[in-house]
Amino acid sequence: DTEVTQTPKHLVMGMTNKKSLKCEQHMGHRAMYWYKQKAKKPPELMFVYSYEKLSINESVPSRFSPECPNSSLLNLHLHALQPEDSALYLCASSQDRSGRWETQYFGPGTRLLVL
Amino acid sequence: GENVEQHPSTLSVQEGDSAVIKCTYSDSASNYFPWYKQELGKRPQLIIDIRSNVGEKKDQRIAVTLNKTAKHFSLHITETQPEDSAVYFCAAAIKAAGNKLTFGGGTRVLVKP
Repeated sequence: DTEVTQTPKHLVMGMTNKKSLKCEQHMGHRAMYWYKQKAKKPPELMFVYSYEKLSINESVPSRFSPECPNSSLLNLHLHALQPEDSALYLCASSQDRSGRWETQYFGPGTRLLVL
Repeated sequence: GENVEQHPSTLSVQEGDSAVIKCTYSDSASNYFPWYKQELGKRPQLIIDIRSNVGEKKDQRIAVTLNKTAKHFSLHITETQPEDSAVYFCAAAIKAAGNKLTFGGGTRVLVKP
């Protein structure tokens, strides 16, 4: 399996809802990432997990809560979101070998609409 | 932190012509420079990358050049085809910064048949 998968593909939620985005990879990658992408903009890094530990949090509001249950899975828990949080949420993964940069492979994304 | 600027923001070329996209970066410690292609409604896909110890890399119709002294790198697409139409993002990364990619603003390329 050489792909990163994400569910759901689309999500509509109200500002009081709680929902979760899921990401999975079976490439043996030990680094996983969440990005947010607004229309006509580049992906913007939110979180990085390395060996199941959170290594980077780009000052993301606490209404976004990441979780890495194991080396293949990455979740993003959403609570009390705002309409401006509507975007494409991309997951990515890569190897994580010391001293060497590795290619990041992106999932297809979850298109989120907050009403 | 790292800042990556990308030009032009839009590029229209005739099929068969060449396309060039340029990026500059701010942090001289950056040592990895990937290029991603994103078609409408699709995921970003890596098309080519270059590491700081290499000045140029080619893969069929695509080439990337890196000038570390000037802190800029460029994507060259030759013999463009309609399927090259997409948004292209450059990025820069420092391994020491924990697997963090900083993207340029993107270039929307339109190849006219």
